[in-house]
Amino acid sequence: NAGVTQTPKFQVLKTGQSMTLQCAQDMNHNSMYWYRQDPGMGLRLIYYSASEGTTDKGEVPNGYNVSRLNKREFSLRLESAAPSQTSVYFCASSAGQTYGETQYFGPGTRLLVL
Amino acid sequence: AQSVTQPDIHITVSEGASLELRCNYSYGATPYLFWYVQSPGQGLQLLLKYFSGDTLVQGIKGFEAEFKRSQSSFNLRKPSVHWSDAAEYFCAVGAPRGYQKVTFGTGTKLQVIP
Repeated sequence: NAGVTQTPKFQVLKTGQSMTLQCAQDMNHNSMYWYRQDPGMGLRLIYYSASEGTTDKGEVPNGYNVSRLNKREFSLRLESAAPSQTSVYFCASSAGQTYGETQYFGPGTRLLVL
Repeated sequence: AQSVTQPDIHITVSEGASLELRCNYSYGATPYLFWYVQSPGQGLQLLLKYFSGDTLVQGIKGFEAEFKRSQSSFNLRKPSVHWSDAAEYFCAVGAPRGYQKVTFGTGTKLQVIP
């Protein structure tokens, strides 16, 4: 049981380049999330998908887009990368969208934008 | 809006010593409270969570946390720390509003010395 998987593990981009971070879960979860983690700032929610076919903005959505491709997959796209987007990105999923649900996290993608 | 504060950025304890990590939250009602652990290079894993009932919650890996409403706190404890407990610990608060909005603290990094 793989849980939540993310690709790639590491990526270096130049300013202005685009890329898509992939996330998949095999737990039949309804809700999926994208966070970024920066030193001293904890985790901040970028976008979430409460259920297949829906997506909504979190705290820090600017510069990002998402796609809930199907129930398993939730991708995050950087259309024009900026150095401020250098971060560690985590995908997570939960069974439902009700409060109190445990979130299950992937191993993260470390992104460096030069 | 809810918030969570982890006042200790970094804590060092000796192996075998007891541990207490502090967490204070701000929310108008009783929130849902979580402790997650992040080992180096890994995603977050749930240690324990509190919804209601007994204010002392047991989690995995020998951890426990106590909810104190009067102090708006949810401190994490372990009676005897092992070297493998070295990690970063995140307190989180979940608010019962529509989708599962969880706010994470900035984390406490635990170093364990022999």
